[in-house]
Amino acid sequence: QSVLTQPPSVSATPGQKVTISCSGSSSNIGTNYVSWYQQLPGTAPKLLIYDNDKRPSGIPDRFSGSKSGTSATLGITGLQTGDEADYYCGTWDSNLSGVFGTGTKVTVL
Amino acid sequence: QVQLQESGPGLVKPSETLSLTCTVSGASISSTSYYWGWIRQPPGQGLEWIGSIYYSGSTYNNPSLKSRVTMSVDTSKNQFSLKVTSVIAADTAVYFCARHGSGSWFVWDYWGQGTLVTVSS
Repeated sequence: QSVLTQPPSVSATPGQKVTISCSGSSSNIGTNYVSWYQQLPGTAPKLLIYDNDKRPSGIPDRFSGSKSGTSATLGITGLQTGDEADYYCGTWDSNLSGVFGTGTKVTVL
Repeated sequence: QVQLQESGPGLVKPSETLSLTCTVSGASISSTSYYWGWIRQPPGQGLEWIGSIYYSGSTYNNPSLKSRVTMSVDTSKNQFSLKVTSVIAADTAVYFCARHGSGSWFVWDYWGQGTLVTVSS
């Protein structure tokens, strides 16, 4: 029932680039900052990107974020086997509710 | 090093109340810079925000759960808690406690490891 839509899965070979889209509306992505989280199997999510395009300390610059209108995108370059995980976008909705995306599984072929 | 740790029963009977506590170390729950919150993840599914609480007790709750959710904070113990009443099987999930900024709104920078709560008789 998430209001933020992501592709269920993306895949690529090591070293390649993948992008993950997060589609929302004017009441959430269109108005507020987007953050991105990486969830490795069996672990808690980890903050990758905040305020649309900022990386916390310790996050490599292979990870990037952008936002345009009511959509946001996470990019991963130089794909590594350790990047295999689920990725979620998140933002605030103007109806006073936090929302996460449906999640995208990244597979390294 | 900020750390959060969830604790509480792993099994709750249908119609009863789910109660969890999150103990924070390495940071003060009384900080004016942060909110503290709960997020859950049903098995094999995505993340769902439950709610956030400020040290003062001010809360924001997911409208879809609002009537069943109560959150509280105990600054003396550096803990915050979650109660979900009248639980059903669909409340079975891994429950995470986490922190987000009062300025960097809904940016969750520290998370607990999560605790699985199963609703079953």
